[in-house]
Amino acid sequence: GAVVSQHPSRVICKSGTSVKIECRSLDFQATTMFWYRQFPKQSLMLMATSNEGSKATYEQGVEKDKFLINHASLTLSTLTVTSAHPEDSSFYICSARPGGAIYEQYFGPGTRLTVT
Amino acid sequence: ELKVEQNPLFLSMQEGKNYTIYCNYSTTSDRLYWYRQDPGKSLESLFVLLSNGAVKQEGRLMASLDTKARLSTLHITAAVHDLSATYFCAVDRKGGSEKLVFGKGTKLTVNP
Repeated sequence: GAVVSQHPSRVICKSGTSVKIECRSLDFQATTMFWYRQFPKQSLMLMATSNEGSKATYEQGVEKDKFLINHASLTLSTLTVTSAHPEDSSFYICSARPGGAIYEQYFGPGTRLTVT
Repeated sequence: ELKVEQNPLFLSMQEGKNYTIYCNYSTTSDRLYWYRQDPGKSLESLFVLLSNGAVKQEGRLMASLDTKARLSTLHITAAVHDLSATYFCAVDRKGGSEKLVFGKGTKLTVNP
């Protein structure tokens, strides 16, 4: 149980285009989902917290108009990188917290974004 | 602002040896997590430590938490090559928000 999937696993896009990444909780309902970014050989940095049916909360320094997050259902959150630039190339990882959970947080397999 | 520091950042050890990775954090926190990450992969949860004095063990790995010292350790016993990976500790911001702050990670290489 407690499986989180991400799609796509890898994506290459051209500068100026937008790309959407999906994060799904497959066998539980996630009231909260988190989006992280990890640059090569670095740690994970929390970008935003997504609650079902409400607006995402972005961490300081993260542009909310550039990284659009939608948590439309209890099993799906999406991250759209708009007008992508090469510096947006990174490993994006989502995690999901089951409703009612105190401390569990399950991580997806990650999406490798390369902007050319 | 919560800060999490791990050391060492790089660790090369021989099979069969023991070693400890340290994780210090700067402010009071409710929970501490240890994760493993293999190259190109996401995070695998290893341990969740919830209270002062908590100790958990799984195979050759043992984690402990001292909330008074704001210190957690991940001890590796009789290392084997399969343990080669990057290990992260993460701390939950106070209040149980589940917003994790990660350390920089310790890249462990176990040599035959």
